[in-house]
Amino acid sequence: DADVTQTPRNRITKTGKRIMLECSQTKGHDRMYWYRQDPGLGLQLIYYSFDVKDINKGEISDGYSVSRQAQAKFSLSLESAIPNQTALYFCATRGTGGGNEQFFGPGTRLTVL
Amino acid sequence: EDQVTQSPEALRLQEGESSSLNCSYTVSGLRGLFWYRQDPGKGPEFLFTLYSAGEEKEKERLKATLTKKESFLHITAPKPEDSATYLCAVQAARGGATNKLIFGTGTLLAVQP
Repeated sequence: DADVTQTPRNRITKTGKRIMLECSQTKGHDRMYWYRQDPGLGLQLIYYSFDVKDINKGEISDGYSVSRQAQAKFSLSLESAIPNQTALYFCATRGTGGGNEQFFGPGTRLTVL
Repeated sequence: EDQVTQSPEALRLQEGESSSLNCSYTVSGLRGLFWYRQDPGKGPEFLFTLYSAGEEKEKERLKATLTKKESFLHITAPKPEDSATYLCAVQAARGGATNKLIFGTGTLLAVQP
């Protein structure tokens, strides 16, 4: 089974709708991240969390919110979706020991019509 | 401003034709440089972390090297299964506990049989 899972894998929604993307991990990592990826652009950080009580904004947090329900779960919400939020969304995790590398989930392809 | 530039944007090789991908970076103190592989529709897969100039890491046909200004991902005798987008990211050694990665836009590698 995958260490980092994301649901849904694909989602089509309409402008103005509220949607939630979910991320779960079995790696036992404290640190979790949400990124978006657009064609021709590097991955951009939306939000990150170092533990259940710690939430931080990334580079492009406007229009998004997050919830860290447990060490293993980190959800991303779009309060009122707009077409330019159409992108690939990735969740990532990192442990507090060892190397600084992050481990990514399989992604959610979101289309906002 | 911290920045990562990857070149070329796309590279087409014949099977067995060795080549290198470049990642140039500008960062205020390098904490780590990371290489990832990304297949279409999937999340980035961690390959290597490099921490200091002169360091090298190898995995199968891939070898990553690091200088003070850039990193190279050398691909020796590539096979079609090496076809993917290769992403480079850096982490700055700033004050504070953030582990934010700054990603390049990637090199799309196609290896033809």
